[in-house]
Amino acid sequence: QKEVEQNSGPLSVPEGAIASLNCTYSDRGSQSFFWYRQYSGKSPELIMFIYSNGDKEDGRFTAQLNKASQYVSLLIRDSQPSDSATYLCAVNMDNFNKFYFGSGTKLNVKP
Amino acid sequence: EPEVTQTPSHQVTQMGQEVILRCVPISNHLYFYWYRQILGQKVEFLVSFYNNEISEKSEIFDDQFSVERPDGSNFTLKIRSTKLEDSAMYFCASSGDKNQPQHFGDGTRLSIL
Repeated sequence: QKEVEQNSGPLSVPEGAIASLNCTYSDRGSQSFFWYRQYSGKSPELIMFIYSNGDKEDGRFTAQLNKASQYVSLLIRDSQPSDSATYLCAVNMDNFNKFYFGSGTKLNVKP
Repeated sequence: EPEVTQTPSHQVTQMGQEVILRCVPISNHLYFYWYRQILGQKVEFLVSFYNNEISEKSEIFDDQFSVERPDGSNFTLKIRSTKLEDSAMYFCASSGDKNQPQHFGDGTRLSIL
């Protein structure tokens, strides 16, 4: 059974703080990893993607991948109230033509 | 910026009726997908489509479901005989390659009465 696991939260952080979101996946052969943001009632919006071990930075966002530990994370620096949303981790397992999604972590950024 | 468009935004249908959900993927993308999200639950893969045929499908995508690319721009999901449990948000997505990010449309909210 292929699984993507996320802590459902809510994760509450004060404005300006760093938010750290975590995701584990079951399939060691997974090759591509994605973070989406989903506001309530809206569609998933791509935030970051990462293919190689290590860190990848894009503005206030950093994705971190550790394939040996089957772990991918998303750091959001200088968190803003507008970052309040559910963050979805998606993994392309076995190089199949589909994504497995986690249940998402709800992030609350308090002004 | 190019985007995936879906119509209608909301579809209300009687149980047992057929419904067709429509999508226009990003024009230079080659891979197309349908996902669904039941209220409060995770996004679930239904089917992927490449080179005019289904490349992957989930156990959810049974005989009542079908997909079609009737012309060079549209990608449709048909549910033949809808059930109450088909009520969900249905998202279309497209990507340039199977390992590349998938870009999602705004979704169709399907309500079965």
